[in-house]
Amino acid sequence: DSGVTQTPKHLITATGQRVTLRCSPRSGDLSVYWYQQSLDQGLQFLIHYYNGEERAKGNILERFSAQQFPDLHSELNLSSLELGDSALYFCASSRDRGKNIQYFGAGTRLSVL
Amino acid sequence: AQKITQTQPGMFVQEKEAVTLDCTYDTSDPSYGLFWYKQPSSGEMIFLIYQGSYDQQNATEGRYSLNFQKARKSANLVISASQLGDSAMYFCAIRGFQKLVFGTGTRLLVSP
Repeated sequence: DSGVTQTPKHLITATGQRVTLRCSPRSGDLSVYWYQQSLDQGLQFLIHYYNGEERAKGNILERFSAQQFPDLHSELNLSSLELGDSALYFCASSRDRGKNIQYFGAGTRLSVL
Repeated sequence: AQKITQTQPGMFVQEKEAVTLDCTYDTSDPSYGLFWYKQPSSGEMIFLIYQGSYDQQNATEGRYSLNFQKARKSANLVISASQLGDSAMYFCAIRGFQKLVFGTGTRLLVSP
């Protein structure tokens, strides 16, 4: 168990809908990262938050947004969903010092029908 | 920009044998970190081992070791005494600015 909690494990929804994925980082970790894993794109970095502030953006669509709350949990919001958004979404957290190892949650598998 | 190349889409090994999974990287940063993750069929990403670019010795974690050859820009994962539970996808990654950059992965199958 990595200590990173993601909910829900599975989501099935329809095109055009909006969903929210939730992540609780490991105790003491201030950084949260979101990644998308799809068959065609592989593992892609989406966005990084550190202690409530956005630090870096990757290949994140404008239809997607994220935030990190004062209790350090994070949410990834996906709107106007398309079939191509079907993927495994991971959250990872790290200490941001030393080796800065990112520990991943179990992922949320999103299916857009 | 950082890049990871994993040229082996699949590898096959018998139980109790050792196996090497290849990884080459490209970066212009003088300081970087290299990682290996395991993804079993259940889907989670499990951290296995880390190598810092300035580390003098190759990293080891139990049955996992990282064969780090800086001049060749390679960071191969060696799994000794393979077990059936080692069957999974293995991803090599490099830490870029604020993120990890992953390779395409190698699927390892361990047979009895």
